[in-house]
Amino acid sequence: AQKVTQAQTEISVVEKEDVTLDCVYETRDTTYYLFWYKQPPSGELVFLIRRNSFDEQNEISGRYSWNFQKSTSSFNFTITASQVVDSAVYFCALSGGDLYNFNKFYFGSGTKLNVKP
Amino acid sequence: NAGVMQNPRHLVRRRGQEARLRCSPMKGHSHVYWYRQLPEEGLKFMVYLQKENIIDESGMPKERFSAEFPKEGPSILRIQQVVRGDSAAYFCASSLSDRELAKNIQYFGAGTRLSVL
Repeated sequence: AQKVTQAQTEISVVEKEDVTLDCVYETRDTTYYLFWYKQPPSGELVFLIRRNSFDEQNEISGRYSWNFQKSTSSFNFTITASQVVDSAVYFCALSGGDLYNFNKFYFGSGTKLNVKP
Repeated sequence: NAGVMQNPRHLVRRRGQEARLRCSPMKGHSHVYWYRQLPEEGLKFMVYLQKENIIDESGMPKERFSAEFPKEGPSILRIQQVVRGDSAAYFCASSLSDRELAKNIQYFGAGTRLSVL
């Protein structure tokens, strides 16, 4: 079974603080894909990153970075020097590598990030 | 280069009425997905369609819900005889979904917020 857990329901930080959003996943697939999406107050989901299970290199994109650790089944997301515009709900998602699960995304319950000025 | 378009953005129905939600995928995408988001929860997969075919409807309630993606026109999610429990945000996503190329990033629309009175 595929499952994604985002244990942090809500996080509040002050602008310029660094913040890490946790994501833990469960899957029996050897090939799988992990995603992060941002849902700002306007409601749409914005794609941030996709990572496949064979690529454990960490990734950095501007103030965003992702730490993928297979040993702990985690795919954490760090925002450095947070800004008010980062306030949103962030979702972690998982899809499998087989034909049945490749197109079926399993989402965590989301972490609401509040960045205060 | 329009993204995934969903309409209406907000839909109000009385119990027993029908709700029709429309989704036009991104240009060039032939795979469409519908997800439901209940308040304070993550997105839950409902159905995956390609043109004129339902590929996976394992997340669809057995009664009152149906989806189609005709050869011409948008994908439609139809809910018959709505009940209060159907109140939620319904998101549509589209993708290229080429498994050989591992292209399974799903791009989401802004959602339709259904309120059942």
